[in-house]
Amino acid sequence: ELKVEQNPLFLSMQEGKNYTIYCNYSTTSDRLYWYRQDPGKSLESLFVLLSNGAVKQEGRLMASLDTKARLSTLHITAAVHDLSATYFCAVDIDDGGATNKLIFGTGTLLAVQP
Amino acid sequence: GAVVSQHPSRVICKSGTSVKIECRSLDFQATTMFWYRQFPKQSLMLMATSNEGSKATYEQGVEKDKFLINHASLTLSTLTVTSAHPEDSSFYICSASRGRVSYNSPLHFGNGTRLTVT
Repeated sequence: ELKVEQNPLFLSMQEGKNYTIYCNYSTTSDRLYWYRQDPGKSLESLFVLLSNGAVKQEGRLMASLDTKARLSTLHITAAVHDLSATYFCAVDIDDGGATNKLIFGTGTLLAVQP
Repeated sequence: GAVVSQHPSRVICKSGTSVKIECRSLDFQATTMFWYRQFPKQSLMLMATSNEGSKATYEQGVEKDKFLINHASLTLSTLTVTSAHPEDSSFYICSASRGRVSYNSPLHFGNGTRLTVT
């Protein structure tokens, strides 16, 4: 059974601090996505990682992918309150069906305290 | 950017009734649509994948007779929750892509439907 696990599930951090969210998955894939979800809202795409060693940065967020370790990270630099949200990684799975599909991680609820 | 419209955003229904949720791609042809379910403070669980003109492919454990998915056109997919029960209360999110999900054909998400069954 495919598992996509995020660590931690909940993260409370102070503004200005750095932290990393981890996404581990149990099957072979070289494509991984990161999304942000605000309460009661749908998902906002943050990053698309398409190969081993891929690194993408946008503002205070940086994502990386290690397909050999089946691990992706989302690093937060100098957190600000506006980053408070739930973050999901999603693994792109091609199981031989008509199309590929995304399987989402368990999610990390980030709360940035002033 | 590409827009996916989901309707209704909220619905309250009585136990035993059926509810239809629509997912429309407004400015592109969505050959593939995905339906997800999300319980409070939990992740998104993929329910089914639908390709235009074909029967939906359901994930293991999802009752196809209870969650009817129709993808009759390249711009519209519907999810009907039949004989709804309180345990079906959840946040349902659709997403659509032009074809196989890729960097050039990303997933676009609807705004979700909050279903409450009383």
